Amino acid sequence: GAVVSQHPSRVICKSGTSVKIECRSLDFQATTMFWYRQFPKKSLMLMATSNEGSKATYEQGVEKDKFLINHASLTLSTLTVTSAHPEDSSFYICSASEVVAYNSPLHFGNGTRLTVT
Amino acid sequence: AQSVAQPEDQVNVAEGNPLTVKCTYSVSGNPYLFWYVQYPNRGLQFLLKYITGDNLVKGSYGFEAEFNKSQTSFHLKKPSALVSDSALYFCAVRDNDNAGNMLTFGGGTRLMVKP
Repeated sequence: GAVVSQHPSRVICKSGTSVKIECRSLDFQATTMFWYRQFPKKSLMLMATSNEGSKATYEQGVEKDKFLINHASLTLSTLTVTSAHPEDSSFYICSASEVVAYNSPLHFGNGTRLTVT
Repeated sequence: AQSVAQPEDQVNVAEGNPLTVKCTYSVSGNPYLFWYVQYPNRGLQFLLKYITGDNLVKGSYGFEAEFNKSQTSFHLKKPSALVSDSALYFCAVRDNDNAGNMLTFGGGTRLMVKP
């Protein structure tokens, strides 16, 4: 089945530094990938839709200059948390689908636990 | 706008008993409905989906869900719960008239299966 690999699984960084999270589709091409943020005991919040070869589409309230998304190829999207602060600590999950079809399920990475100290 | 409601934050079931995790949805068009499961510190895993056809959908790990259009519900069920089913379950909907590919998730329901 389709596999999405997300790296790293855990990262601890100091306040003010930047962190890059990678999301790869291992055995399929993903024109579109999605980045979610999950707070403790909360549902998933869609942060942005990442489109290969074009700018990401950010959801309302998500700072695009803080959460930089790059989708340079059909198998890789990256999320960079710039100038991280403790309130950015969260669980970040990426997802992708094999085809841009409304009835295709999304495949999720295993998530990245970010802790900003 | 589309939305999903999971009215129960947590469901407790004894092992071997049937389980139901509730989900209701709201879309303007016809819905595509999904269930995902999340284990601790992991991403979501796809369980099953309803697109069209039979209202009873069978998925992974013995789970099934019943689509009820009149009640706009898509409850997740399993005849006999296992302790290993304990996890966080998310219902999601996509409007088939939506030009994008966006899923809307419910708030999640934590399933606790006790031995």
